[in-house]
Amino acid sequence: SYVLTQAPSVSVAPRQTARITCGGNNIGSKSVHWYQQRPGQAPVLVVYDDSDRPSGIPGRFSGSNSGNTATLTISRVEAGDEADYYCQVSDTTNDHPVFGGGTKLTVL
Amino acid sequence: VQLVQSGAEVKEPGASVKLSCKASGYTFYTYYMNWVRQAPGQGLEWMGIINPSGGSTTYEQRFQGRVTMTRDTSTSTVYMELSSLRYEDTAVYYCARGDCTSTSCYYDSWGQGTLVTVSS
Repeated sequence: SYVLTQAPSVSVAPRQTARITCGGNNIGSKSVHWYQQRPGQAPVLVVYDDSDRPSGIPGRFSGSNSGNTATLTISRVEAGDEADYYCQVSDTTNDHPVFGGGTKLTVL
Repeated sequence: VQLVQSGAEVKEPGASVKLSCKASGYTFYTYYMNWVRQAPGQGLEWMGIINPSGGSTTYEQRFQGRVTMTRDTSTSTVYMELSSLRYEDTAVYYCARGDCTSTSCYYDSWGQGTLVTVSS
């Protein structure tokens, strides 16, 4: 089955830029989706189809995808962005979704 | 769009649990519904999907034989029953609405989650 690899943690100072990566074999050929999960809450979709944002998600959140790495970029990081972030794709062998292990974003 | 799930459950090993997820704010049968679980301190794990229109289901292989997903179109509610519960089934269970293109699905609305605790 397809495997997505995320770093366990990323730390960034307020107002700086956070980059959270998701690695997978030729992931650039897939559509990547990103979810934010604050402590004790359900996940929230923040980027879909590599780089599109659902309505209500700030423009500070953006995504890119190429080669073997997809990236979620959060500009001008705020304390409220502190959360776990998960990437997700569909496994083309069975169309089942696959989630990365998640990255905990800490705002210093 | 709102997905409202049933309340927390405590079950003994070997028992079954049936969770519900009531959808509102959109046309129920036009979006697939998924179940995703999250063990304490762990990541997200997809369990399966149901088509509310015809009721067809697809389950992740590791849950085959233990999970059953159904729906009631009259109340816009989907259900997920997990049997032969084990301690490792302790988790928060989410329903999540799936929006699918020809190549991929993403989950644009989630329920609030239901905590299932398996304990003797």
